[in-house]
Amino acid sequence: DAKTTQPTSMDCAEGRAANLPCNHSTISENEYVYWYRQIHSQGPQYIIHGLKNNETNEMASLIITEDRKSSTLILPHATLRDTAVYYCIVRVNNYGQNFVFGPGTRLSVLP
Amino acid sequence: EAGVAQSPRYKIIEKRQSVAFWCNPISGHATLYWYQQILGQGPKLLIQFQNNGVVDDSQLPKDRFSAERLKGVDSTLKIQPAKLEDSAVYLCASSREVGDSYEQYFGPGTRLTVT
Repeated sequence: DAKTTQPTSMDCAEGRAANLPCNHSTISENEYVYWYRQIHSQGPQYIIHGLKNNETNEMASLIITEDRKSSTLILPHATLRDTAVYYCIVRVNNYGQNFVFGPGTRLSVLP
Repeated sequence: EAGVAQSPRYKIIEKRQSVAFWCNPISGHATLYWYQQILGQGPKLLIQFQNNGVVDDSQLPKDRFSAERLKGVDSTLKIQPAKLEDSAVYLCASSREVGDSYEQYFGPGTRLTVT
């Protein structure tokens, strides 16, 4: 079973920031938070991951709370192409550990 | 860099028939995964290979599903015989472990319809 809970769906206006929350209250100290997204009819695509510190790359920012029990993925200026299902996953970065995907959050970016 | 290749993209078969899917991972990626994604759900891992050895196949229905990764590169996933509930998208992914990153790269998937 997935160790995370996410809202089923969210809407965001085009050009505005999209903030996608994820709860992982049972996360272990050595588990990383990963975010993937899946655009319709495509395979999932890696977005970002982090352990304790906030992270930023060209796609998004990841904000992890100090107690690490929740995180937020931020798409700073959402476009229509960001409409997708977003998956939050916690995982130990050890050999043999796999990714357990939950149902994710369906983000709809509206014009 | 070429992505993960999968074929066929679509397949329709009748129940009790057999089907095989092919995956070519990104060059140099030692780890290969097969996932099953049923409509409306997240992907579920079926099997994980490290080079040509199986790391995890605990969720693979071994009475009807089989997978192999000969020579540690390409992989095939087979279903024999297929059931209606096998209708899903079958995703292949590959990764290489660099530092603390285990980023997976996914192929486009094969959509299987069992009638």
